[in-house]
Amino acid sequence: VQLVESGGGLVQPGGSLRLSCAASGVTVSSNYMTWVRQAPGRGLEWVSIIYSGGSTYYADSVKGRFTISRHNSENTLFLQMNSLRVEDTAMYYCARGHSNLQYWGPGTLVTVSA
Amino acid sequence: QSVLTQPPSVSAAPGQTVTISCSGSSSNIGNNYVSWYQQLPGTAPKLLIYDNNQRPSGIPDRFSGSKSGTSATLGITGLQTGDEADYYCGTWDSSLSAGIFGGGTTLTVL
Repeated sequence: VQLVESGGGLVQPGGSLRLSCAASGVTVSSNYMTWVRQAPGRGLEWVSIIYSGGSTYYADSVKGRFTISRHNSENTLFLQMNSLRVEDTAMYYCARGHSNLQYWGPGTLVTVSA
Repeated sequence: QSVLTQPPSVSAAPGQTVTISCSGSSSNIGNNYVSWYQQLPGTAPKLLIYDNNQRPSGIPDRFSGSKSGTSATLGITGLQTGDEADYYCGTWDSSLSAGIFGGGTTLTVL
């Protein structure tokens, strides 16, 4: 199983980014897939999950601004991030699982700064 | 402030045993499975324990997990310098309909 995130970078407050997580060895559409972030020097923060059936859930801190989705034929998970804030600055990880996150990608860094 | 409470740090000598606690409530630990993760500096977290007390393939039996009521505990025996890392508990919160993590515990092997 391999998960590889991409799409991070520097963005101004109020801007948007779309993160991708390319999966191999695991079928994104058949699994719970989760996004977790970690601000510099801080702990892990759960961000969002998409169920195999398509249901989605979000942390209160990102609800209404972030959208999780997937592209089944490309076996890729996405996180669309709008109205970004300075406090969204973090390493963003995708992971397979629900409450047990067995496989993780190396992460992609998002920096929100003027 | 995290929904799950962990001690910020623990320490012990090589070869000794350490436990890390994770305290929650009935909406999370009390009614859902707990997982534990190890994060070495500069790397992604790694799953150590799932479903309260199960070890994924490749995780040595020096690592163990338990749950009682609204608290969970990670135990590490035969401490090695390579165990120095941050450890996080995680679970689902049925009231929040969201995943949650503890604030993390830094293990120092003296």
